[in-house]
Amino acid sequence: AQSVAQPEDQVNVAEGNPLTVKCTYSVSGNPYLFWYVQYPNRGLQFLLKYITGDNLVKGSYGFEAEFNKSQTSFHLKKPSALVSDSALYFCAVRVPSGSGGSNYKLTFGKGTLLTVNP
Amino acid sequence: DAGVTQSPTHLIKTRGQQVTLRCSPKSGHDTVSWYQQALGQGPQFIFQYYEEEERQRGNFPDRFSGHQFPNYSSELNVNALLLGDSALYLCASSLYTFTGELFFGEGSRLTVL
Repeated sequence: AQSVAQPEDQVNVAEGNPLTVKCTYSVSGNPYLFWYVQYPNRGLQFLLKYITGDNLVKGSYGFEAEFNKSQTSFHLKKPSALVSDSALYFCAVRVPSGSGGSNYKLTFGKGTLLTVNP
Repeated sequence: DAGVTQSPTHLIKTRGQQVTLRCSPKSGHDTVSWYQQALGQGPQFIFQYYEEEERQRGNFPDRFSGHQFPNYSSELNVNALLLGDSALYLCASSLYTFTGELFFGEGSRLTVL
């Protein structure tokens, strides 16, 4: 089964320091991987995706993620954290429809709560 | 360009009642998916609609049903509500032929007492 795991429930960093939110995946075939962010009582906002190509993917709000096939990881990173980055972050993998076609669903990790301290 | 809109934003029901949640997809999108997010958990896939048909279904009982209308909007219905149905229900839209990201609405928070 296609799945992702976020090994850390919480990550705390100081403002201005680099941040990393970890994600590992288990898929058959080529993985389609995504990061979403959720602010309190809000929906999910798309940050970035890896479909194919460069292993370093750049996304919204200065975030980037590194795809590592040998370690089956897709960690989210940002060089300098902001207090406003404090939120819940979800890693997700695209799971194709069992009936074929191009439709799909996303399977999400449990989420990692990022807190950036001033 | 309006994004994904959901209604109502909050609602409270009692056990055994029925609820209907509504979703309008992002302009130009033809596929709607529904997810349930329980407190402290990641979203769980309920089902997906395209061309007014259910195309995929997650591991949810038949109490959960849906509909898609010709204008691509969608409804999620839950019958015989249980306390465990309390959650944030998220609607996501996409293009059926597009393999990129889903666009999510703000969600409908359902509380079952």
